[in-house]
Amino acid sequence: GAVVSQHPSRVICKSGTSVKIECRSLDFQATTMFWYRQFPKQSLMLMATSNEGSKATYEQGVEKDKFLINHASLTLSTLTVTSAHPEDSSFYICSARDAAQNTEAFFGQGTRLTVV
Amino acid sequence: GIQVEQSPPDLILQEGANSTLRCNFSDSVNNLQWFHQNPWGQLINLFYIPSGTKQNGRLSATTVATERYSLLYISSSQTTDSGVYFCAVDTGFQKLVFGTGTRLLVSP
Repeated sequence: GAVVSQHPSRVICKSGTSVKIECRSLDFQATTMFWYRQFPKQSLMLMATSNEGSKATYEQGVEKDKFLINHASLTLSTLTVTSAHPEDSSFYICSARDAAQNTEAFFGQGTRLTVV
Repeated sequence: GIQVEQSPPDLILQEGANSTLRCNFSDSVNNLQWFHQNPWGQLINLFYIPSGTKQNGRLSATTVATERYSLLYISSSQTTDSGVYFCAVDTGFQKLVFGTGTRLLVSP
């Protein structure tokens, strides 16, 4: 299957600082990538759709100024959590599909963010 | 929006037992995937199954799109099968809506 790489896998930051998470499709091109958030013992919730070369589309209730998304190339999307607070602590995971095949979605390893 | 419910929410099995996990969805879908989330959070793709039946080793899945459900069968369960199983559906915009999950524990 296709490989999606996400970094870092784990990060601890202080309140008020910003954290950048990278999501790369290693062996295919992805015009669209997706960012999800998962709280402990809960399901995954879609935060936003990252579109290559254009603005991201955010789900209802997700603050676009807090969660900045950039999709500068067909293989890289980044999520920046700005001015992080302890309530932003969560598991963030990205996904992508091969634009040429448009079949199943593959997921990165996820990033566990802890804001102290 | 679409609702995706999974049952049972929790399942405890003895190693070697068989089990069936269910995923019900409230609207028509373009595709459906099953995932296994391991203890480190990684989502492992199990099946891409918008309709019909597929098998992969001890696992198989069936989706009946007209009746809006999918089943995941695990046979001869092993301790390494433990984790959370999610189904996720795509209603046509490529983004996946995840189900509520089934937490499986297989004991030796």
